[in-house]
Amino acid sequence: DIQMTQSPSAMSASVGDRVTITCRASQGIGNSLAWFQQKPGKVPKRLIYAASRLQSGVPSRFSGSGSGTEFTLTISSLQPEDFATYYCLQHNTYPQAFGQGTKVEVK
Amino acid sequence: QVVLVQSGAEVKKPGSTVKFSCKTSGGTFSTFVISWVRQAPGQGLEWMGSIIPIFGTRNYAQNFQDRATITADESTTTAYMELSRLTSDDTAVYYCARDLVDWGQGTLVTVSS
Repeated sequence: DIQMTQSPSAMSASVGDRVTITCRASQGIGNSLAWFQQKPGKVPKRLIYAASRLQSGVPSRFSGSGSGTEFTLTISSLQPEDFATYYCLQHNTYPQAFGQGTKVEVK
Repeated sequence: QVVLVQSGAEVKKPGSTVKFSCKTSGGTFSTFVISWVRQAPGQGLEWMGSIIPIFGTRNYAQNFQDRATITADESTTTAYMELSRLTSDDTAVYYCARDLVDWGQGTLVTVSS
């Protein structure tokens, strides 16, 4: 099975900061990676699919990059509503797998 | 947009079985990939398995291979997850999702003696 490792597991940031989260796959997955945002008590929301495609309605400050085994989610200018936990998911092969999550907290 | 409505909270005894549902509205149910994802209290998301009704294909995570069963009823556009041999570690919110884009509201399952 493919394992997904996210880093960091948590981070502190301020409004306006550029935030980068990394996700590594234990083997190549092409571009079959999605990023999700989850706020406390809420349902996860898909932000990015196919590694770099922005989900409709998601602000353009979110972007994704990478292929193969290393992927990045970038928030270009962190907004107050972006404090949340972010997860990557590989959907290249079954079983699919989430990373362990990255919590973005207020500095 | 596809709307998914999940069944209500459950309280179960260790060793028992739970079955909960995910009713969909909109779209073409048979072509969906319906995934089940769970989240234990204070923990991350865990992919459990999925089904594609039109093909009848099911896939499961290793952890659930022998005690989870995902089914789909095309006549009612409803998917089901059945989980057996429950332990306290199965206490979690269980989500269904269509293509991991549209999500149900979650079903809380509490396993306690």
